[in-house]
Amino acid sequence: EAGVTQSPTHLIKTRGQQATLRCSPISGHTSVYWYQQALGLGLQFLLWYDEGEERNRGNFPPRFSGRQFPNYSSELNVNALELEDSALYLCASSLEGAYEAFFGQGTRLTVV
Amino acid sequence: GENVEQHPSTLSVQEGDSAVIKCTYSDSASNYFPWYKQELGKRPQLIIDIRSNVGEKKDQRIAVTLNKTAKHFSLHITETQPEDSAVYFCAASWTGGFKTIFGAGTRLFVKA
Repeated sequence: EAGVTQSPTHLIKTRGQQATLRCSPISGHTSVYWYQQALGLGLQFLLWYDEGEERNRGNFPPRFSGRQFPNYSSELNVNALELEDSALYLCASSLEGAYEAFFGQGTRLTVV
Repeated sequence: GENVEQHPSTLSVQEGDSAVIKCTYSDSASNYFPWYKQELGKRPQLIIDIRSNVGEKKDQRIAVTLNKTAKHFSLHITETQPEDSAVYFCAASWTGGFKTIFGAGTRLFVKA
């Protein structure tokens, strides 16, 4: 069974640009979570999508947004990139209502 | 707001010794407490979890204890091995895992 897959694995952008990160959950999982992991720091909750809707978001500015498609894959968009947005962005998926979440390998975003 | 504090941030032990990582959470509604292990360059992987109706859970060399009254839970690794070296994250969540709040992580070094 394929795990959670994320693309691209690395992304380099210039300050002010927009970045789009993609996530494909495990087959059958309807919930997708996005986390930011800055270098040397912990995991910060960004967004939770389930059944195509945003269910909850963490303490991040509105320029962090996303969506979930009918096939449950998800996209994270970061507008007006700032240097401090450089981080590993992890996606996780779970069955709706289930406890355990499975992580993807992450997308390392570098803003220069 | 919700918060999970994790200590220590770094832990160095000799192979064969025990390691203990402690976490404290703020939201009394939390009812699910997973622990993740993240090896260098890899995705976080769930290693053990505990639900609020249980005080202790053990899986081979790993055990987790939960004190709901004091709002803290701990990870215990016995007979540590070099391959236990990684960053360990505790987390607290509720209602199926949305908006899981992670601790800052503990970097464990096991010296051979």
